[in-house]
Amino acid sequence: QQQVKQSPQSLIVQKGGISIINCAYENTAFDYFPWYQQFPGKGPALLIAIRPDVSEKKEGRFTISFNKSAKQFSLHIMDSQPGDSATYFCAAGFQKLVFGTGTRLLVSP
Amino acid sequence: DTAVSQTPKYLVTQMGNDKSIKCEQNLGHDTMYWYKQDSKKFLKIMFSYNNKELIINETVPNRFSPKSPDKAHLNLHINSLELGDSAVYFCASSPWTLNTEAFFGQGTRLTVV
Repeated sequence: QQQVKQSPQSLIVQKGGISIINCAYENTAFDYFPWYQQFPGKGPALLIAIRPDVSEKKEGRFTISFNKSAKQFSLHIMDSQPGDSATYFCAAGFQKLVFGTGTRLLVSP
Repeated sequence: DTAVSQTPKYLVTQMGNDKSIKCEQNLGHDTMYWYKQDSKKFLKIMFSYNNKELIINETVPNRFSPKSPDKAHLNLHINSLELGDSAVYFCASSPWTLNTEAFFGQGTRLTVV
């Protein structure tokens, strides 16, 4: 019930393409869904987050889509750039954050 | 100015030793955490402190003992280090609970040999 399943494990996208990472959760008590970006040797940094009262949130090239009934949410990176190459973690929160297993994104030039 | 800073960044030590990792945040946040990231990059919360009070203590061996002298500092002391303790340990802070933006430090890579 505390798990957050994330897919794919790794992703290669061409520059300018759309990167899509998906997450699914079981615990309906979760009420906060952030995405974190982590570069090698650095700590995770908050990218964008959503609460379950909205179905979509967009910040620049990054969009979270949230489907409460399906208990799924996804991150879309539009116009992916080589500088977006990093590991992305979804998470779900209620009293504490439970992280997905991470997706290693490589954007090829 | 670094928002959440940890020291040291790297720590190599022998099995059986005792070591500490220090964390300080200058964001004025009330809540601080320790996370462990294993070799497969899986991130798991270990402890959470709110204004110096322990509020989350996951299933962590009691060889790990957090200490919060004030709300800006959260240290992690590890006794009798084992090979399996090798990981990257992240300190983080957030304004009041985990359901708000959490700021992570740069991590401490602990290697037990």
